[in-house]
Amino acid sequence: KAGVTQTPRYLIKTRGQQVTLSCSPISGHRSVSWYQQTPGQGLQFLFEYFSETQRNKGNFPGRFSGRQFSNSRSEMNVSTLELGDSALYLCASSWDTSGRAIQYFGAGTRLSVL
Amino acid sequence: GESVGLHLPTLSVQEGDNSIINCAYSNSASDYFIWYKQESGKGPQFIIDIRSNMDKRQGQRVTVLLNKTVKHLSLQIAATQPGDSAVYFCAEPLSGGYNKLIFGAGTRLAVHP
Repeated sequence: KAGVTQTPRYLIKTRGQQVTLSCSPISGHRSVSWYQQTPGQGLQFLFEYFSETQRNKGNFPGRFSGRQFSNSRSEMNVSTLELGDSALYLCASSWDTSGRAIQYFGAGTRLSVL
Repeated sequence: GESVGLHLPTLSVQEGDNSIINCAYSNSASDYFIWYKQESGKGPQFIIDIRSNMDKRQGQRVTVLLNKTVKHLSLQIAATQPGDSAVYFCAEPLSGGYNKLIFGAGTRLAVHP
């Protein structure tokens, strides 16, 4: 069974630009969560989508947004990029019915903002 | 490989030794904890979980211990192997569901032959 796939693996953008990251969850998983990982702040929850609806949201500015499609694939968008947005963005999918926090993570998209 | 954390605490062990990675939590109402492992260039991988009605849970070569009195949990890895070299995170769900996790800062485990 294929794992969680994130594309692209690497991105370089400049301040002020916007970026879209993509995540294909494991087949059958309906929940997709996004996390930001930086050396200074560690792993931080961005948001979770379930059945095309945002179910949970972390403490990030409105420049960070996402969506989920009917096939459970998800995208996240960051507008008006800032230097501090440079990070590894991780997507995780899960069954959501196990009653356990078992999330399957992709390898991430490393975003560098210059 | 890609840097996960530049200044993470590091535990260095010899191959074959047992490793103990510690994690403290602050919320006495926390009732469920998870350990994840992140190897260089990869996303975190689920290792084991434990609910607050248990003090100990064992998996394959791993044991998680929970001490609710001092709000502390630990991950023990038996007979540590080079493939265990990674960053280990404890985590717990934020209010709102199991797919909304808060992660600890992480501990880097370095296994030397």
